[in-house]
Amino acid sequence: QVQLVDSGGDLVKPGGSLRLTCSASGFTFSAYFMIWVRQAPGKGLEWVSHISDTGRFAKYSDSVKGRFTMSRDNAKNSMYLQMDSLRAEDTAVYYCARVSWGPTWAFNIWGRGTSVTVSS
Amino acid sequence: QSALTQPRSVSGSPGQSVTISCTGTTDDVGAYNFVSWYQQSPGTVPKLLLYEVSQRPSGVPDRFSGFKSGNTASLTISGLQAEDEADYYCTSYAGTHVIFGGGTKLTVV
Repeated sequence: QVQLVDSGGDLVKPGGSLRLTCSASGFTFSAYFMIWVRQAPGKGLEWVSHISDTGRFAKYSDSVKGRFTMSRDNAKNSMYLQMDSLRAEDTAVYYCARVSWGPTWAFNIWGRGTSVTVSS
Repeated sequence: QSALTQPRSVSGSPGQSVTISCTGTTDDVGAYNFVSWYQQSPGTVPKLLLYEVSQRPSGVPDRFSGFKSGNTASLTISGLQAEDEADYYCTSYAGTHVIFGGGTKLTVV
């Protein structure tokens, strides 16, 4: 069964750090680009970052560049989002998703989401 | 990295058709055919409806169709059903990043 399980969300104080994990199963993880998408409470979807299949390069939205780092370990079928210098505006549900092969830049498999709350 | 422009809301009656527009720029929607659409019902994970402008993944009814002209893409839902009531988001690849639309709430009245 093709599946993504995202975890690691928590309540953290402004300026704090958190590491999200996305664990993949049921497909050849190393063949796909992966992406993190977030959704603030009552708001729309927002691209956060994506990473190439090899992990050689990652791209970030302007809102998180310099504070978040995306990485992956293909041997463990996992990817990560290291979130530093967290701000209140980072509060959201964070989804990991698989980019359709090509890449075609469509996200056909999603995790259930993990909730990050940044508050003092 | 501005969001793609979608109407905030649309509505239609069962059996009717509705179209949701998604307007970008020559750097994103106008430059690539990597436009996709997602449906999100309250409390659920987004579901891929269309990719590469008009391609339907397996299992998505042909009531959902897509089109692109210039910098604007559109999603048309024909034969509206009550279960179609949800939020709809478009996305586009933009060379180095991905852009989402602001989302459109579809109400089936």
